[in-house]
Amino acid sequence: GAVVSQHPSRVICKSGTSVKIECRSLDFQATTMFWYRQFPKKSLMLMATSNEGSKATYEQGVEKDKFLINHASLTLSTLTVTSAHPEDSSFYICSAPPGRGRDTQYFGPGTRLTVL
Amino acid sequence: SQELEQSPQSLIVQEGKNLTINCTSSKTLYGLYWYKQKYGEGLIFLMMLQKGGEEKSHEKITAKLDEKKQQSSLHITASQPSHAGIYLCGADGGAGTASKLTFGTGTRLQVTL
Repeated sequence: GAVVSQHPSRVICKSGTSVKIECRSLDFQATTMFWYRQFPKKSLMLMATSNEGSKATYEQGVEKDKFLINHASLTLSTLTVTSAHPEDSSFYICSAPPGRGRDTQYFGPGTRLTVL
Repeated sequence: SQELEQSPQSLIVQEGKNLTINCTSSKTLYGLYWYKQKYGEGLIFLMMLQKGGEEKSHEKITAKLDEKKQQSSLHITASQPSHAGIYLCGADGGAGTASKLTFGTGTRLQVTL
């Protein structure tokens, strides 16, 4: 079946550094991918829609200069948290729709970011 | 914007007992998804419902979408410890599987022995 991977699964960094998270569709192409953020004991909140070949679409309240998204190819989207601060610590999950005829989106296993 | 409210927020049941989780939408649902998540891990797809009155089952889990397409329920029969986790309902924006999802508030399920 379709699989979406994320790397890294966990990352700890110091305040002020930038962290890149990769989301890959392993056996299908995805022109669109979605990035979600989840705080402890909370639901998933959509951050942005990653579009291959064009700019990402950000949800209201999400800083596009803070969370840089690049959809480099039909199988790879990256989320870069720039100048990370402790309040950016969270669980980040990506998803990708496998295309028509499928009844679900596929979610990555998530990346836990801890900013010290 | 669409909002999904889940109830209850958390649930503790004894193994073998049945339980129901509800998901209520502020708008008509085009596609309603149920996922299970273990804390700190990715989402496991359970079921998707699209038609009013639709009902789907997989093993001991049954999901229903009401006729008005604004409420869905997830029912687990004879719960087991493996059912423990966070259950999330999600709604797409009407464009099918290529659409971004709005998630419900989540229901945390614990199953005791």
